[in-house]
Amino acid sequence: NAGVTQTPKFRILKIGQSMTLQCTQDMNHNYMYWYRQDPGMGLKLIYYSVGAGITDKGEVPNGYNVSRSTTEDFPLRLELAAPSQTSVYFCASTGVINYGYTFGSGTRLTVV
Amino acid sequence: GQQVMQIPQYQHVQEGEDFTTYCNSSTTLSNIQWYKQRPGGHPVFLIQLVKSGEVKKQKRLTFQFGEAKKNSSLHITATQTTDVGTYFCAGPRSGGSNYKLTFGKGTLLTVNP
Repeated sequence: NAGVTQTPKFRILKIGQSMTLQCTQDMNHNYMYWYRQDPGMGLKLIYYSVGAGITDKGEVPNGYNVSRSTTEDFPLRLELAAPSQTSVYFCASTGVINYGYTFGSGTRLTVV
Repeated sequence: GQQVMQIPQYQHVQEGEDFTTYCNSSTTLSNIQWYKQRPGGHPVFLIQLVKSGEVKKQKRLTFQFGEAKKNSSLHITATQTTDVGTYFCAGPRSGGSNYKLTFGKGTLLTVNP
């Protein structure tokens, strides 16, 4: 099993550009999450999903959108990139509510 | 809202010394989880504690859940350079839909060989 796969690993965007961060899991997990991590600030929840077709906002959803058309995929969309979105983004999943998240290896995004 | 606080923020030790990080929640938690993130890596799940007063061990790591289920600790005996990283605690967010974990800001451990 590959677990949680995130692409790309690194990306540099210009202000105002858009991009999609991809997240795929092969563990048939219903629950998926997007976090951003800034230095010294821990993990902040952006969006989450409890199953295909169901998504909800986390702590810091502004500037982002998500979709969950399948159990496996949970892409994160940045529409108009801003420098404040420079961060490391982690996708995570679990098959049991609030237990043992499996994280992807992350996407390091820089907006210039 | 629910807050999970961790102390200390940083800890530097000599190899062989012990290390402890503490986690405190503003509300009672149904469970507490611990994760480790190596430098440049991603968080990796270590353990979950569920019962009041529970103590679990993983080799040199000892995890405790407080009697009131509002605090927890992680103790590492005789640290090694492989222990370097950030240790996070996390608990289910209280109220409303309970599908999310609240993470502490983590304790960064560095070990001098």
